[in-house]
Amino acid sequence: GAGVSQTPSNKVTEKGKYVELRCDPISGHTALYWYRQSLGQGPEFLIYFQGTGAADDSGLPNDRFFAVRPEGSVSTLKIQRTERGDSAVYLCASSSPDRGIYGYTFGSGTRLTVV
Amino acid sequence: QQQVKQSPQSLIVQKGGISIINCAYENTAFDYFPWYQQFPGKGPALLIAIRPDVSEKKEGRFTISFNKSAKQFSLHIMDSQPGDSATYFCAGDPYSGSARQLTFGSGTQLTVLP
Repeated sequence: GAGVSQTPSNKVTEKGKYVELRCDPISGHTALYWYRQSLGQGPEFLIYFQGTGAADDSGLPNDRFFAVRPEGSVSTLKIQRTERGDSAVYLCASSSPDRGIYGYTFGSGTRLTVV
Repeated sequence: QQQVKQSPQSLIVQKGGISIINCAYENTAFDYFPWYQQFPGKGPALLIAIRPDVSEKKEGRFTISFNKSAKQFSLHIMDSQPGDSATYFCAGDPYSGSARQLTFGSGTQLTVLP
């Protein structure tokens, strides 16, 4: 597709459960980013991939959060033992180095609700 | 640590009026200052961006004014329209090599009355 695709668009899970959120970046974009947007706030950086490797995971809040990008395209954000405070919209973005900030594109996000 | 402070939190403007949103930053490593527009249920979409060596940038009805010494920048929306009603975020981008890890402000919810 032409844009960044995130699935599911909505996810409701019970406290303590494990969830996976998927991001399909724009084809050819080597960089992929995950952000978390809490209600009424701006997105906060979680993790950045360049190719297959996590180049910077300094934004992950704790070790319950983990992300992978095994083939350098699709990425999965994994959250273990979910807590109510994890409820937020999780945004994915991808970028291409040759287009600078103008090639930095966000998906529509996955709204995660932990009940 | 909040590195980008944005105000106001909400703004109501009449159609045809000027909307002004302000941001202040702390991190002098920021190399790009983009503004994003976000509609409910959608991801942020880039509106306009400026580099710190430029004091003003205009694209259509949208203008960024940048004051490097004060570490402040603002978005002006001229001739505001109801379709501009959305949440606006400023951001700082410490571009380093290939990485663009944006730091966002807390957002301004703009309502343009018809």
